[in-house]
Amino acid sequence: AQTVTQSQPEMSVQEAETVTLSCTYDTSENNYYLFWYKQPPSRQMILVIRQEAYKQQNATENRFSVNFQKAAKSFSLKISDSQLGDTAMYFCAFMRDDKIIFGKGTRLHILP
Amino acid sequence: DADVTQTPRNRITKTGKRIMLECSQTKGHDRMYWYRQDPGLGLRLIYYSFDVKDINKGEISDGYSVSRQAQAKFSLSLESAIPNQTALYFCATSDHRGYEQYFGPGTRLTVT
Repeated sequence: AQTVTQSQPEMSVQEAETVTLSCTYDTSENNYYLFWYKQPPSRQMILVIRQEAYKQQNATENRFSVNFQKAAKSFSLKISDSQLGDTAMYFCAFMRDDKIIFGKGTRLHILP
Repeated sequence: DADVTQTPRNRITKTGKRIMLECSQTKGHDRMYWYRQDPGLGLRLIYYSFDVKDINKGEISDGYSVSRQAQAKFSLSLESAIPNQTALYFCATSDHRGYEQYFGPGTRLTVT
């Protein structure tokens, strides 16, 4: 069975700093997708970034980037120049066969 | 207008009552999903549908049923609500490629 583990339940960083959220997953599959979703206090689920497992290049979206280590089954999210609006729950997720499995989330606080 | 809408946004009901949560989408997607979010547990898949005639159980389908009335509509029912079904419920859609899901705003359900 696939599982997704986020080992940091909660984190706090100062505005403008860089923060890295950890995620590991377990699968025997070779082709799959990985995601980071953001859930701000509005509770809307927002896709932050997506990584295809067959791509070696790490995905980047503006201030958000990932460190994808396929052999280690690790998929961390780096937020650069953090902003107050980045305060949210962040969920790592794994998709295979059109179904997504979510981690339990990391609550991130950006401090002014 | 939002692409994925959910009604109601908030609902309080009593134990034993039947309740229906509705989801509509204007994205033209074939695939629709219902998730449940509990604090500290992330999102878990309840049911999913890849087209009008295709309904599948997810990880936690017990106590729930669904109806796919049309491509654009997917309803979740609790036949006899119980307090541990108190949660935030999300509907999501994806196209035939399935590698990105679009979430509705969520329905907060409280069963007293």
